[in-house]
Amino acid sequence: DIQMTQSPSSLSASVGDRVTITCRASQGISNSLAWYQQRPGKVPKLLIFDASTLHSGVPSRFSGSASRTDFTLTISSLQPEDVGSYYCQQYKTVPRTFGQGTRVEVK
Amino acid sequence: EVQLVQSGGGLVQPGGSLKLSCVASGFTFSDYWMTWVRRAPGKGLEWVANIKRDGSEKNYVDSVKGRFTISRDSAKTSLYLQMNSLRAEDTAVYYCTRGTGWCDHWGQGTLVTVSS
Repeated sequence: DIQMTQSPSSLSASVGDRVTITCRASQGISNSLAWYQQRPGKVPKLLIFDASTLHSGVPSRFSGSASRTDFTLTISSLQPEDVGSYYCQQYKTVPRTFGQGTRVEVK
Repeated sequence: EVQLVQSGGGLVQPGGSLKLSCVASGFTFSDYWMTWVRRAPGKGLEWVANIKRDGSEKNYVDSVKGRFTISRDSAKTSLYLQMNSLRAEDTAVYYCTRGTGWCDHWGQGTLVTVSS
């Protein structure tokens, strides 16, 4: 199975800060990577697919990038509603696998 | 509007069985793979199983192979997860989702608690 290693496990930042979350795949997955947000008590939401394509309706402050087996989710200007957990997921092979998640808090 | 409405969760004893259902609407159900994802208390998301558009291909995470069965009924636009030989570690909120790569729509989630 492909392992997805996500970092950091948690972070705290101020409103307006630039936030970066990284995900490393244990082997090549091309650009077969998605990012999800799960706000507290809510259903997960798709943010990005194919490593860098923004899903419909997702604010443009979210962006994704890829470099070989390293993937990055960036929030350009953190907002209070961005509090929650973020997960990467590879869909190159089955079983699909998620990173362990990053909890984002606002100071 | 795409909707995935789940039912069937609850409390079950270890070794017991439970069947989850998910009724889909707002899109052509037979055009999409479907997937189950779960989140255990205090843990992250875990991919459980997926099923091809016509039901001809199914995939499972190793921890549920031989115990869980994913299925679908196009006439009822419904997705199912039959869970047998349940263990405490299967306790989680289970989500029905659309897609086989990325999951672009999610059900509301249903809690399954395995405990004596």
